[in-house]
Amino acid sequence: AQSVAQPEDQVNVAEGNPLTVKCTYSVSGNPYLFWYVQYPNRGLQFLLKYITGDNLVKGSYGFEAEFNKSQTSFHLKKPSALVSDSALYFCAVRGLDGGGFKTIFGAGTRLFVKA
Amino acid sequence: DAGVIQSPRHEVTEMGQEVTLRCKPISGHNSLFWYRQTMMRGLELLIYFNNNVPIDDSGMPEDRFSAKMPNASFSTLKIQPSEPRDSAVYFCASSRDRVAEQYFGPGTRLTVT
Repeated sequence: AQSVAQPEDQVNVAEGNPLTVKCTYSVSGNPYLFWYVQYPNRGLQFLLKYITGDNLVKGSYGFEAEFNKSQTSFHLKKPSALVSDSALYFCAVRGLDGGGFKTIFGAGTRLFVKA
Repeated sequence: DAGVIQSPRHEVTEMGQEVTLRCKPISGHNSLFWYRQTMMRGLELLIYFNNNVPIDDSGMPEDRFSAKMPNASFSTLKIQPSEPRDSAVYFCASSRDRVAEQYFGPGTRLTVT
């Protein structure tokens, strides 16, 4: 069965510093990988995805993620954090599971960016 | 585009009552998903439809929950009878196809007393 792990419940970073939010996955076959962000009292918003091709994917709001097949990871990164980046971040994997496509979301990582 | 539309945004009801949550997906999207989010269990996929057909309902917690998609522009999630443990935020999401990114609605916050 496929799974997604976000090993950190919370990440704290100072404004202007680089940030990384970690994600590892397990899936049969080729993975479709996604990052979403959730602000308070809002639905999840799509940030970026990896389907195939270049391992470095660029997305909204200056975020990027690197697909690493050997480490089965898809870490979210941003070179310079903003206070407004503070939110809940979800990694998701979509793949074949039991004969059909399923999407599994990680538990989420709360990012705090301090001014 | 208006995005995914959900109604109501908030619902407070008493245990035993029927609750119906509504969703209008983005026009042209052919996959629709219902999720439940709680602090304890995180984000759970309840059911998803492709081309109005339920594909996977393995996440529906029990027979009290049912979902329908009578046409491409409307879906409902019904809980009958409701229980306090059903209190959560329920999200509807749609995507262009089964592997594309999902677009989430604003959610319905359900409180069952």
